Amino acid sequence: GDSVTQMEGPVTLSEEAFLTINCTYTATGYPSLFWYVQYPGEGLQLLLKATKADDKGSNKGFEATYRKETTSFHLEKGSVQVSDSAVYFCALKDSNYQLIWGAGTKLIIKP
Amino acid sequence: SQTIHQWPATLVQPVGSPLSLECTVEGTSNPNLYWYRQAAGRGLQLLFYSVGIGQISSEVPQNLSASRPQDRQFILSSKKLLLSDSGFYLCAGSDSNQPQHFGDGTRLSIL
Repeated sequence: GDSVTQMEGPVTLSEEAFLTINCTYTATGYPSLFWYVQYPGEGLQLLLKATKADDKGSNKGFEATYRKETTSFHLEKGSVQVSDSAVYFCALKDSNYQLIWGAGTKLIIKP
Repeated sequence: SQTIHQWPATLVQPVGSPLSLECTVEGTSNPNLYWYRQAAGRGLQLLFYSVGIGQISSEVPQNLSASRPQDRQFILSSKKLLLSDSGFYLCAGSDSNQPQHFGDGTRLSIL
């Protein structure tokens, strides 16, 4: 079945560092891909999405490009801030409109 | 866009007591609705989803149940809570092919 694999955390970076959180998927067909963010003690918020190959989703300085050839949707940000500390989830929407979730990657940004 | 309301935000219950968590949706009609559980430091586990009034699909057999008495109301229940039911419960909604939107979650502690 469909699946999503994220890099294990926690990922610890200094402020203003470059961020990459890897996400790869296996799926039949052409799923939509998502990144969600969960700040401490809160629910999940949609961060960005991409619905077809080569689409780039972007929001709040974060970007991710739908790469069909490598089945990847890596999350990147050029300069992270302390306020970016959160758990980041990669997900795909399967043919039944259900979300298949990665395990989440905790990001810790130190000042 | 739709808004998901969940309550209460936190709940402490003794083992063996009943449970009722409520989720309501604003800003859309006939949404798909979901209940997830997130154990501490872990990813999301889909518990139930519903595509319409009275239609519930269970993903994981357990002592929890869900009901959808109205189009924009989704209730998670248990007759007798177990220690293992502790966790962070999230309600989400989506319009068929649109991203899921999440409520703020309910942190349930079983003593």
